[in-house]
Amino acid sequence: NAGVMQNPRHLVRRRGQEARLRCSPMKGHSHVYWYRQLPEEGLKFMVYLQKENIIDESGMPKERFSAEFPKEGPSILRIQQVVRGDSAAYFCASSRQGIHGYTFGSGTRLTVV
Amino acid sequence: SQQGEEDPQALSIQEGENATMNCSYKTSINNLQWYRQNSGRGLVHLILIRSNEREKHSGRLRVTLDTSKKSSSLLITASRAADTASYFCATDAGYGGSQGNLIFGKGTKLSVKP
Repeated sequence: NAGVMQNPRHLVRRRGQEARLRCSPMKGHSHVYWYRQLPEEGLKFMVYLQKENIIDESGMPKERFSAEFPKEGPSILRIQQVVRGDSAAYFCASSRQGIHGYTFGSGTRLTVV
Repeated sequence: SQQGEEDPQALSIQEGENATMNCSYKTSINNLQWYRQNSGRGLVHLILIRSNEREKHSGRLRVTLDTSKKSSSLLITASRAADTASYFCATDAGYGGSQGNLIFGKGTKLSVKP
């Protein structure tokens, strides 16, 4: 069981480009969560998805950010027209159900130049 | 606003000493968890304590929870250099919501000197 896999580990984008972050949950996990961590800060919840459904997107910025978890394939966090303030570590977690058995991936570190 | 706030923000101790980190939160919870994060890495789950529990142990870790004071503490006994990391507390939303939203504090950065 490979755990929660995130790729890429590091991503550099110029301002205005699009960033796509991928997360493959642990085998058997159908719940996926995305968090953002700014330097020297804790993690901030962004979105909670189950297969083909967004359950809670209360932490997602209203513009430029979107997330999906299709029937097949990884969950994708998409940031359009990136700005310097989007530079952060983005973590994905998965679970079988709710917050019990939450497992985090190693994160994607996005740098916007 | 932050649900959890860890205290202190940074802690530096010698190997073999005990390290105590505190966490306070604002709203009612179902449970509280502690995580460790090594520099530049992901989070590792350490321990979960439910709202009806007062104390829990796991190896060198001891967690207490005081729901009347809305606070928790994490004690690491006989610390090792390998314990150097940031430690975060995280609470669930506490209401019958999406059951997926963990609320993290800003963390305590622990440095254990050999």
